[in-house]
Amino acid sequence: AQTVTQSQPEMSVQEAETVTLSCTYDTSESDYYLFWYKQPPSRQMILVIRQEAYKQQNATENRFSVNFQKAAKSFSLKISDSQLGDAAMYFCAYRSSWGDKIIFGKGTRLHILP
Amino acid sequence: EAQVTQNPRYLITVTGKKLTVTCSQNMNHEYMSWYRQDPGLGLRQIYYSMNVEVTDKGDVPEGYKVSRKEKRNFPLILESPSPNQTSLYFCASSLRPQVVDGNTEAFFGQGTRLTVV
Repeated sequence: AQTVTQSQPEMSVQEAETVTLSCTYDTSESDYYLFWYKQPPSRQMILVIRQEAYKQQNATENRFSVNFQKAAKSFSLKISDSQLGDAAMYFCAYRSSWGDKIIFGKGTRLHILP
Repeated sequence: EAQVTQNPRYLITVTGKKLTVTCSQNMNHEYMSWYRQDPGLGLRQIYYSMNVEVTDKGDVPEGYKVSRKEKRNFPLILESPSPNQTSLYFCASSLRPQVVDGNTEAFFGQGTRLTVV
């Protein structure tokens, strides 16, 4: 069965600095999808970025980028120029190509220090 | 506006009193699912549905029921709620990866905070 591991329950970063949240996963599949979701205090789940496993190029969305290492089964999220509004819980998620399940990690709570 | 709508947002109930949390999406998504979120455990899948009349158990299905009679609706039913079902519940919908490549992320409702006393 697939698993998703986020080894950092909490992290802090100074405003305007860069922070990297780690995520590893375990799967025997070669084709799948990976996501990072943000959950601010409002509890809404917001998609931050997605990565298709067959694409070698790392996904980027403005200040958010990923480091996707398929062989190592690693999918870290880098937030550049951190802002106070980035403070949230971040979840890494895996979805198989069959799409039957979306598996989430336990989350990393990110604090932004002014 | 494309959205997933859950109701109610907050619910306090007593042990054993049947309840239903509704979920509706207007994006014509085939895939819908229910999750519960508990501190330190992340989101765990309760049930999912790949299409109308097709449902399957997730990782924590005990004590829950679902139905998918229409494509847009996917209600979560607790026949006899117990205090260990106190949690934050999310409904989500998405396209199936087999149908479209790339945009397979889940769209979430705003969550339902359930307390069972």
